[in-house]
Amino acid sequence: ETVMTQSPLSLSVTPGETASISCRSSQTLLHRGNNYLDWYLQRPGQSPQLLIYLGSNRASGVPDRFSGSGSGRDFTLTISRVEAEDVGVYYCMQGPQIWTFGQGTKVEIK
Amino acid sequence: QLHLQESGPGLVQPSETLSLTCTVSGESVSSTAYYWGWIRQAPGKGLEWIGTIYQTGTTSYNPSLESRVTISSDTSKNQFSLRLTSVSAADTAIYYCARKGYTATWGQGILVTVTS
Repeated sequence: ETVMTQSPLSLSVTPGETASISCRSSQTLLHRGNNYLDWYLQRPGQSPQLLIYLGSNRASGVPDRFSGSGSGRDFTLTISRVEAEDVGVYYCMQGPQIWTFGQGTKVEIK
Repeated sequence: QLHLQESGPGLVQPSETLSLTCTVSGESVSSTAYYWGWIRQAPGKGLEWIGTIYQTGTTSYNPSLESRVTISSDTSKNQFSLRLTSVSAADTAIYYCARKGYTATWGQGILVTVTS
């Protein structure tokens, strides 16, 4: 069973600054040249929204302030120029057949 | 455009069976390019994968739920379904259906409360 570990579990960010969230997998997520790692944002009262897929690809309509990086077991979500609308809980998820989520990172604005 | 919609009872009695359906539009559930699955989120908690189905037959389940879960699909209705037996209050959650390939699309979720 693949375990996903996120850090930190909470983050307080000043608007305009940069935030980074780490996600580490217990097994490699690199298969046939693709890193099967997604990043989601769940805003309060809403369903999760896909931000990044295959480790570093922005989903349709996602601002370029969001970027994903990493390969194998270690991944990072970076939010540049943080805005008030970025508050919520961020999850990493591995797939595509068996899905495992990180614990979530709660982001708030200072 | 792809759309997934969960449906089913919002209240289930303890020890009974929870049954939910995900109706898909904009893509065929028999497509070989995707996995179709269920996720749940208990109140105030994180996301928990329940299971997935592929090509209308192959299934994978969360080991912690495997003894109680069945996921199946109905290609004639373009739906896939979740059955969770012997439910308890711990199964109270928002249940989401989703499609996963390279990208992912989720439904809006349905709240299921287990209560007598």
